[in-house]
Amino acid sequence: QLQLQESGPGLVKPSETLSLTCTLSGASISSSNYYWGWIRQSPGKGLEWIGSIHYSGSTSYNPSLKSRVTISLDRSKNQFSLQLTSVTAADTAVYYCARHWWLESYFDYWGQGTLVAVSS
Amino acid sequence: EVELTQSPGTLSLSPGERATLSCRASQSISGHYLAWYQQKPGQAPRLLIYDVSSRAAGIPDRFSGSGSGTDFTLTISRLAPEDFAVYYCQQYGSSPKTFGQGTKVEIK
Repeated sequence: QLQLQESGPGLVKPSETLSLTCTLSGASISSSNYYWGWIRQSPGKGLEWIGSIHYSGSTSYNPSLKSRVTISLDRSKNQFSLQLTSVTAADTAVYYCARHWWLESYFDYWGQGTLVAVSS
Repeated sequence: EVELTQSPGTLSLSPGERATLSCRASQSISGHYLAWYQQKPGQAPRLLIYDVSSRAAGIPDRFSGSGSGTDFTLTISRLAPEDFAVYYCQQYGSSPKTFGQGTKVEIK
């Protein structure tokens, strides 16, 4: 059974970079033709897709965040990561990692989520 | 970007009643690329329905989805106590993937 687990700092200062990692268990990130995505949820904007990475390494980002987002894979650690630069209070949210079958697809497995607050 | 508007914002019903949730898109969704999720407090969204009407693995048949174009519906035929939660629709026919703002189904 696939499980995903987000990890990273719960507090980030304004203008700094938010960095999160999603670790897979129960499956290899390289073994199947899936996409691995990041979604966030905040009271103000609801659920928002941030971006995704294919097991081949190709990426796709939400245009609204594209200039600040990088998603990468670490196959040796069975992880993928999110970096969001120049954060502001508006980036305060619960961040989820999730799996989807195609680039334009639904999300069938989700991590439990991690709350990241942006504050000085 | 396709905007999804869910209604009502809150639905107050009793166990055993039928729930009908609406999701309206700002433009026609190509294919059958609409999903529904259930979210309970402190938990991640859980996939219920994909491709408008296909139930995800392990989802009871009291949950059903329908619709096309810009208007979609999630129906819960008889509410069980564990069904009181927030429900979201998501479209994946156009990039970027987008979600509705949610409908809360609460106990009356």
